[in-house]
Amino acid sequence: QQQVKQSPQSLIVQKGGISIINCAYENTAFDYFPWYQQFPGKGPALLIAIRPDVSEKKEGRFTISFNKSAKQFSLHIMDSQPGDSATYFCAASRTGNQFYFGTGTSLTVIP
Amino acid sequence: DTGVSQNPRHKITKRGQNVTFRCDPISEHNRLYWYRQTLGQGPEFLTYFQNEAQLEKSRLLSDRFSAERPKGSFSTLEIQRTEQGDSAMYLCASSLYRDSYGYTFGSGTRLTVV
Repeated sequence: QQQVKQSPQSLIVQKGGISIINCAYENTAFDYFPWYQQFPGKGPALLIAIRPDVSEKKEGRFTISFNKSAKQFSLHIMDSQPGDSATYFCAASRTGNQFYFGTGTSLTVIP
Repeated sequence: DTGVSQNPRHKITKRGQNVTFRCDPISEHNRLYWYRQTLGQGPEFLTYFQNEAQLEKSRLLSDRFSAERPKGSFSTLEIQRTEQGDSAMYLCASSLYRDSYGYTFGSGTRLTVV
């Protein structure tokens, strides 16, 4: 059973536009929700993360919106740039011992 | 220290052969994790160590898989009698015990079983 469901599978955005990726989870015991960015041939790199006690977290052009009652969270990339083209994974964890990852979203930002 | 190091970066092996991968974590990190990532999927947890103790194993870690971290520093992941379904990227990550959420991933070892 997929613990974290992610959509869309792929996304094409014009430079300067907003990229939005959504995730949903089932386990209400999860207490940490990170987003990872992965370039081809590289491991995932932590982009931004949120705890369930806040509804939004912003770091530069990246924002996580969190809806605890709906068990959903999303990543917003403002002013998307070609260098943002990568695969993005949401994840969730209860203890930090193990992360459950979504299936990934391939983002392409067109110049 | 430049991060988590994994070797080799690529490995091609024939079905039925044994393979071993190595992970060198960030030096002060006492937790080490192994994940497997197949094409088009997110990473899946395999196992993790705190120092030299293997504390948790996924059911994905079949009897053909074994991981060790003998001195609490580097770790090895061995796959015996490889199968085509083992073809994947094997990712290692490390963290501090007091910040177990703060993973740093390596670049992975890509295994192709032919």
